[in-house]
Amino acid sequence: DQQVKQNSPSLSVQEGRISILNCDYTNSMFDYFLWYKKYPAEGPTFLISISSIKDKNEDGRFTVFLNKSAKHLSLHIVPSQPGDSAVYFCAASAVTSGSRLTFGEGTQLTVNP
Amino acid sequence: GAGVSQSPSNKVTEKGKDVELRCDPISGHTALYWYRQSLGQGLEFLIYFQGNSAPDKSGLPSDRFSAERTGGSVSTLTIQRTQQEDSAVYLCASSKGQGARGQAQYFGPGTRLLVL
Repeated sequence: DQQVKQNSPSLSVQEGRISILNCDYTNSMFDYFLWYKKYPAEGPTFLISISSIKDKNEDGRFTVFLNKSAKHLSLHIVPSQPGDSAVYFCAASAVTSGSRLTFGEGTQLTVNP
Repeated sequence: GAGVSQSPSNKVTEKGKDVELRCDPISGHTALYWYRQSLGQGLEFLIYFQGNSAPDKSGLPSDRFSAERTGGSVSTLTIQRTQQEDSAVYLCASSKGQGARGQAQYFGPGTRLLVL
C-alpha cells in the first residue's frame, strides 16, 4: 500500500524555467510534509517542509503548496538551475506514527543548461 | 561539525551470512532512524530510536533484522542470514528534539549492501 506517490519518475526542464514536482498521498492522518533532494551516492538532504495548517511555504527559490482536500502537494523551483538536477523525494508524517517518515518513490529532475 | 556517518560505504556478502551496518548520528541528536532504499523504490522505514524510549521496530521486515543503539549515540543494524532481497542502500538519519515531529531528519550517505 503506497501511501505517498510520486507519479512522475522523471522531469526535464530548461534552466531558468519553473520545475513543478508533484506528490499525492492517501493517508488522511498525515499532517506534516517534507521534500528531500538526493544526489547520487549521497543521502537525502532536507529541502523544505509544510504543516497541514498551512497551504504554502516558501524558502528562496523553493515553494511547497499543499492541497489537503485533494491530498496533493507540489514543490515549485523557480528559476531552475542545473545544480538542481537530482532525485526529489516527497515524505509525510502522521502524529499517530511518531516521527517516522513515509516516502514517495522519487522524481528525477534534470535541468538542462 | 560532522554530519551523519555510516560504515561501511559498500558491503558485498554471500547469501546466508550476517552483516552489521554502523551509524554515527550528529552529536546531540536524540532521534535516530534507519531506512532502506531498494532499487527504483522510495525510502522504506525500518526502525526509530528516541532517547531512552523503547525503539519503534514496526518497519523491520523480518526477525532477521535487528538494531541497537548504544549510549544514545552509535547505532548498529544487524541482518542475519542475509537474502538476495536484502540488497539495498541502508540509510541512517538523525534529528534533534523530543518527538522530533516536524524536525528535519539528516541523512548519512548510506551503506550499499549487495547479497550474492
